[in-house]
Amino acid sequence: GENVEQHPSTLSVQEGDSAVIKCTYSDSASNYFPWYKQELGKRPQLIIDIRSNVGEKKDQRIAVTLNKTAKHFSLHITETQPEDSAVYFCAASIGSSNTGKLIFGQGTTLQVKP
Amino acid sequence: NAGVTQTPKFQVLKTGQSMTLQCAQDMNHNSMYWYRQDPGMGLRLIYYSASEGTTDKGEVPNGYNVSRLNKREFSLRLESAAPSQTSVYFCASRGDRGSGRAFFGQGTRLTVV
Repeated sequence: GENVEQHPSTLSVQEGDSAVIKCTYSDSASNYFPWYKQELGKRPQLIIDIRSNVGEKKDQRIAVTLNKTAKHFSLHITETQPEDSAVYFCAASIGSSNTGKLIFGQGTTLQVKP
Repeated sequence: NAGVTQTPKFQVLKTGQSMTLQCAQDMNHNSMYWYRQDPGMGLRLIYYSASEGTTDKGEVPNGYNVSRLNKREFSLRLESAAPSQTSVYFCASRGDRGSGRAFFGQGTRLTVV
């Protein structure tokens, strides 16, 4: 079945350093890859997403890269700030990119130390 | 627009009791989803509905049933609650236009004792 693996499960960085979170997916038909941030006690919120016809996408300090051949995608956060501390989830959509099954990774708890 | 609204926000059940979690969205989205979130397990898909009138099993459907009542509403039912179903439940919706972004409800914290 469809599966999304996410690593690492926890990540601690110093303020100003970069953070990288990696995900792999099993279904080669996956075509949409969003990343969500969840603060304690709150709902997940989309921070960036990428479609299968794009290799990289940036939004200020956040970037996502996709390697379709390796079925691998990554989240890069540069110049980390304490407010970046949260749980981050990757996901892969199978079927219609807008309405298909959406499978999430296990999550990464990011701690940014001041 | 309220987005995605879930009720209730908190619930305590005794083992064997039944209950229905309600979810409604006002964004005219076709697809709706139910997830459960447990520590270290991420968001696991229970059931989803790609469009009104259709439902499909996700990763962890056992012990749950769903109903896509209409385009707006997607309910999750626990027929006989078990302690293993203690979790935070999130409903989400996605549209067939735009970015494909999923919008989440505020979650329901369910405890089964």
